[in-house]
Amino acid sequence: DAGVIQSPRHEVTEMGQEVTLRCKPISGHDYLFWYRQTMMRGLELLIYFNNNVPIDDSGMPEDRFSAKMPNASFSTLKIQPSEPRDSAVYFCASSLMAGTYNEQFFGPGTRLTVL
Amino acid sequence: GQQLNQSPQSMFIQEGEDVSMNCTSSSIFNTWLWYKQDPGEGPVLLIALYKAGELTSNGRLTAQFGITRKDSFLNISASIPSDVGIYFCAAPFGGSQGNLIFGKGTKLSVKP
Repeated sequence: DAGVIQSPRHEVTEMGQEVTLRCKPISGHDYLFWYRQTMMRGLELLIYFNNNVPIDDSGMPEDRFSAKMPNASFSTLKIQPSEPRDSAVYFCASSLMAGTYNEQFFGPGTRLTVL
Repeated sequence: GQQLNQSPQSMFIQEGEDVSMNCTSSSIFNTWLWYKQDPGEGPVLLIALYKAGELTSNGRLTAQFGITRKDSFLNISASIPSDVGIYFCAAPFGGSQGNLIFGKGTKLSVKP
């Protein structure tokens, strides 16, 4: 099992540019989550999907952020236009609906730097 | 809103020492989770707790679900250098087992 795959691992861009982060969840998992991690705010849930449908996007900071899941094996998080305060590590996680708690498996993250 | 308060924020210990950290909240949770994050990686689940008072071990790690359901504790015995990392408590909220809130983490450094 390859685990959750994220690309790119590192992204450096200039303010105003569009940024697209990609995630491939573990095969068969029906939940997908996007998190952002910063020193100041820690790990924050941005949005999550169930069976490719967005369930809760209340954590998305503003309209510059959007996320899609066109199929069960792929999701994107897009920032347009990017700003320096968007610099953070972005994690994707997936889980399988079963049992009392659905363990979330995290990808290695994408470190985004906006200059 | 709901918040998980972890302490201490960081710890510097000698190899072989035991470690204790905790997580508290003003809210009640039905599940408590402990994750570890290695440098440059995503968090990995260590222990899940489902019942008030529950004590669960995973090797040298032991975690407890507080009786009040507002806190949880993690202990590491006989620390080794590979225990280095950030330890997070987390709990599901909002009626959904998939929606997690995380504490700010305890950063552990182990001196050989």
